[in-house]
This record gives sequence, structure tokens and C-alpha cells, in this order.
Amino acid sequence: AQKITQTQPGMFVQEKEAVTLDCTYDTSDPSYGLFWYKQPSSGEMIFLIYQGSYDQQNATEGRYSLNFQKARKSANLVISASQLGDSAMYFCAMRSLNSGYSTLTFGKGTMLLVSP
Amino acid sequence: DTEVTQTPKHLVMGMTNKKSLKCEQHMGHRAMYWYKQKAKKPPELMFVYSYEKLSINESVPSRFSPECPNSSLLNLHLHALQPEDSALYLCASSQGIAGSGIQYFGAGTRLSVL
Repeated sequence: AQKITQTQPGMFVQEKEAVTLDCTYDTSDPSYGLFWYKQPSSGEMIFLIYQGSYDQQNATEGRYSLNFQKARKSANLVISASQLGDSAMYFCAMRSLNSGYSTLTFGKGTMLLVSP
Repeated sequence: DTEVTQTPKHLVMGMTNKKSLKCEQHMGHRAMYWYKQKAKKPPELMFVYSYEKLSINESVPSRFSPECPNSSLLNLHLHALQPEDSALYLCASSQGIAGSGIQYFGAGTRLSVL
């Protein structure tokens, strides 16, 4: 069984500052993928970044980076230089990469508010 | 911009109505998904299609009936819904159902059942 824990229901950050959204996971699978999605109030789930369990380097995509600490089972999302448009719900998710189908398991989400 | 298109964006229906949600993708993906999302909760998986065949049904009530007419289209037919079915319905697609295939989501249909 897989489990994702996001302990921060809400986070506040000022524009242009960096923010870290926490995500810890639990799985017995040796091969898995970790995902972050952004969901603005409009409803669309936007894929941000992916990290595979065997990837040697932390993933980066523009202003987004994933701080992957495998031994601690954490996959925190770092957003640099926050913008007002970053205000949204952020979901951490994971799935097993073993053969066959594996459900994408989501955390409960963190609501990020960026202030001017 | 998302490459998964969902229509309509909003839908209001009575409990005796029949309506359909539509999802379309042109990324050549062979797996498509329906999720239900209640306010301030993560999405919950409903159905998974792989190569146009239903692979996963997460014990969804029969008043929800999925259909995959071709590899680009996914429909969700709704009949005799209950007020508790009011939610955001998200469609997603990925290259396949296994491996590290990223699921790309549409903007969703906000459904209200009166």
C-alpha cells in the first residue's frame, strides 16, 4: 500500500520569496514515481514535476524543484521567486512503477497563498 | 495549455435527467481516466481505460456509465444522479497505464445535481 502525507493544510508566502511544500510518502515498492500537481481555483490539475525513485539527481522544471531525500522518504516541492499566479492547491502524488497498473495516490494537498 | 479538453465546463442537472460528459485528447495516449473530486479533497479514481477497453472500475455506482468510442475520446454518461454526486469531474490521459507515464488532466466539469 502507498501513502502520501502533506502536513501543511495552508502556506503563506510573499511575492518573490521561495517556499517549500512538504511531502512524505510510504511504500514498500523499490521502484516508484513521485509527482506534483497544481490546482488553481479554476479546477484544472496542472502537472508540475516528476521524480523517479532511481533518479540520481533532483528534478527541476523552471522555478520548480523537487528536494528528493530517499532515506527520509520525502519529496518536497520548492518554488523559487513566488508569483501571485502560484496561489493554488498543490498535490503530491505517487505510483508504483512495478509491472502492471498502479493507482496514482494523492496527498490531501496544501493550499498556497502568495501575497503582494 | 492543457491538451485534454473536457466539455461542458459546468453542468446542472436534475435527478431524473440523463447527461454526458465528454473528454478528448490528441496526444496519442492509450490510457484515459475519470476522477471525481469533492471540494478541498484530492481526486478519487473512478474508471481507467487502456487501449479503449475498461481496465479498472473502482466500484462506481451504475448511474455512472463510461464509454470510450475511440482512442481520443472518453465519455461519462450520467443517469439518475443524487445530490451527493455533485463534484468536479476530471478526465486524464497518459501514454499507458503502467510505468512512469505522467497523467495529464483536463480542466474538469463542475457538476451540480439538484
